Amino acid sequence: EVQLLESGGDLVQPGRSLRLSCGASGFTFDDYAMDWVRQAPGKGLEWVSGINWSGNTDDYADSVKGRFTISRDNANKFLYLQMNSLRPEDTAFYYCVKAAGASFSGTYFDSWGRGTLVTVSS
Amino acid sequence: QSALTQPASVSGSPGQSITISCTGTNSNVGTYNFVSWYQHHPGRVPKVIIYEINRRPSGISHRFSASKSGNTASLTISGLQTEDEADYYCCSYSGHTNEYVFGTGTKVTVL
Repeated sequence: EVQLLESGGDLVQPGRSLRLSCGASGFTFDDYAMDWVRQAPGKGLEWVSGINWSGNTDDYADSVKGRFTISRDNANKFLYLQMNSLRPEDTAFYYCVKAAGASFSGTYFDSWGRGTLVTVSS
Repeated sequence: QSALTQPASVSGSPGQSITISCTGTNSNVGTYNFVSWYQHHPGRVPKVIIYEINRRPSGISHRFSASKSGNTASLTISGLQTEDEADYYCCSYSGHTNEYVFGTGTKVTVL
């Protein structure tokens, strides 16, 4: 059974940084692309970033480009999201998501974690 | 990119069929077949119910079906059941920008 467990969510002040982690189990981690999707309180889902199976290709939503960095550790089966220059509008539940294929381009999201809450407020 | 447009809410009685529309542009829904749908019960994990326009993952009920015409994708739930009461989101890949765009979400209520 696929399991994705996010951690690292916290209350932070605007302009500060935070790193989210996602531990994966139940599947061959380095066979699949991984993504982060977020949901602001009371709002809809928003794709944030994706990374391919090897970690050498990634991309970002315009809203986070230049501020967030996705990475992965295939040896230890972890996905990360480094979030810098945080803004109040980044407040959301952040879901770690497994893609159905090795590339994050042209796929769908077949397993989701339970999410971790990031609150950006002074 | 702007979110795909979905109706805010759709309702139906048990046993009825309902359809949720998802309207995008030529940059996403209209060009790519990577349209998927997700069911999200509040407090639970989102679940994929349709991928690549009209394909159902293993274990998903045949009551869920979907299609696409031009820039609009549609999800139909047949034989509506109380357990179908949830939020539904469409999602499309956009190769122009190599990103994904979700729909605004539709709350389905079973009367």
